[in-house]
Amino acid sequence: SQQGEEDPQALSIQEGENATMNCSYKTSINNLQWYRQNSGRGLVHLILIRSNEREKHSGRLRVTLDTSKKSSSLLITASRAADTASYFCATDPLYNQGGKLIFGQGTELSVKP
Amino acid sequence: SAVISQKPSRDICQRGTSLTIQCQVDSQVTMMFWYRQQPGQSLTLIATANQGSEATYESGFVIDKFPISRPNLTFSTLTVSNMSPEDSSIYLCSVTGEWDTEAFFGQGTRLTVV
Repeated sequence: SQQGEEDPQALSIQEGENATMNCSYKTSINNLQWYRQNSGRGLVHLILIRSNEREKHSGRLRVTLDTSKKSSSLLITASRAADTASYFCATDPLYNQGGKLIFGQGTELSVKP
Repeated sequence: SAVISQKPSRDICQRGTSLTIQCQVDSQVTMMFWYRQQPGQSLTLIATANQGSEATYESGFVIDKFPISRPNLTFSTLTVSNMSPEDSSIYLCSVTGEWDTEAFFGQGTRLTVV
């Protein structure tokens, strides 16, 4: 399978704690993206990190990328109950004909009030 | 950014029938895609919808089962044909603009085949 691996598959934390999700992939990439999905609905784009970047921040989100290990992590700081959702990483493979993303298996995050 | 209207949002269908899902984008986009998300699973790409020509299907998906149309740069349809319970999934339309930018997704169509 070309899909990446994510761990953990499920994560349960208390409000205020930090949540870290990891993603590994198999091929060289143009970029790696993180998405959020609430209750099986559409995906919302969170952050994109390009292959020549190592770290990126957006609000309470911090993403790292290690292309030598073909891995990425998403950190959500000071989590809130509203962060409860499924989180997916997706890679845009190198030499891709634009936009064909390969998704990881996802992490189901539960944030308890 | 792009706003995508996808309909229907959900449907319950009898086996052997077909369902057509529509995807309307509020701006002209280069690339449009259809994904399937089986229960509890991740997203799998079905095909790239090409404007004015036949869609490009991924391994394991065929045109007879999933015919796709894209008559212009803002609209596409996916038909799930001769449905069986195994087709019960969420189907999502996605678009991208320029190379190396994020994708935008419709709200998905939750299909249940009984």
